[in-house]
Amino acid sequence: AQKITQTQPGMFVQEKEAVTLDCTYDTSDQSYGLFWYKQPSSGEMIFLIYQGSYDEQNATEGRYSLNFQKARKSANLVISASQLGDSAMYFCAMRVLDTGRRALTFGSGTRLQVQP
Amino acid sequence: DVKVTQSSRYLVKRTGEKVFLECVQDMDHENMFWYRQDPGLGLRLIYFSYDVKMKEKGDIPEGYSVSREKKERFSLILESASTNQTSMYLCASGPEGAREKLFFGSGTQLSVL
Repeated sequence: AQKITQTQPGMFVQEKEAVTLDCTYDTSDQSYGLFWYKQPSSGEMIFLIYQGSYDEQNATEGRYSLNFQKARKSANLVISASQLGDSAMYFCAMRVLDTGRRALTFGSGTRLQVQP
Repeated sequence: DVKVTQSSRYLVKRTGEKVFLECVQDMDHENMFWYRQDPGLGLRLIYFSYDVKMKEKGDIPEGYSVSREKKERFSLILESASTNQTSMYLCASGPEGAREKLFFGSGTQLSVL
């Protein structure tokens, strides 16, 4: 079974600064994918970034990057130049790729608040 | 844009009532999912479906059932609602493909009194 751990229930960051949201995972499988989603107060889940376990480079999408350290089983999300609109819940999730399991397993989330 | 639509944003029901939560997606996705979201617990999978009339239990299926009679529609049923089923319910859909992301609806906040 897979498990995702997000140890930061809440984080504060000043506007325009960078912030790292932690995510560690536990799986015995070698082929897996890691996802990050953002959930603003409106409730919808917005996909941010994806990293495959065999991808050679860390994923980046605009201001989002994923600090993937396979040996440590961590997949931290880095948000550069924080904006007020980044205030939201952030969820890390994973899927094992070879088992046919289609669902994502989610962590408990981190609430990020960006301060002006 | 992919749209996943949940029929109600807020719902208040009484203990013992039968409750239907409806979800419709417009992108012809094979896979559909129901999660519940509780503070401190994240999203937990209740049921998912990978084809019409096909379903599989997730991690917390007790007290729930599902129905998928058409590809675009996936319903979550609470046969006899209980107060511990008060939660945010999120529907998601996704295409086949292990690297594919899921698309989510806006959620239904269910309160069982």
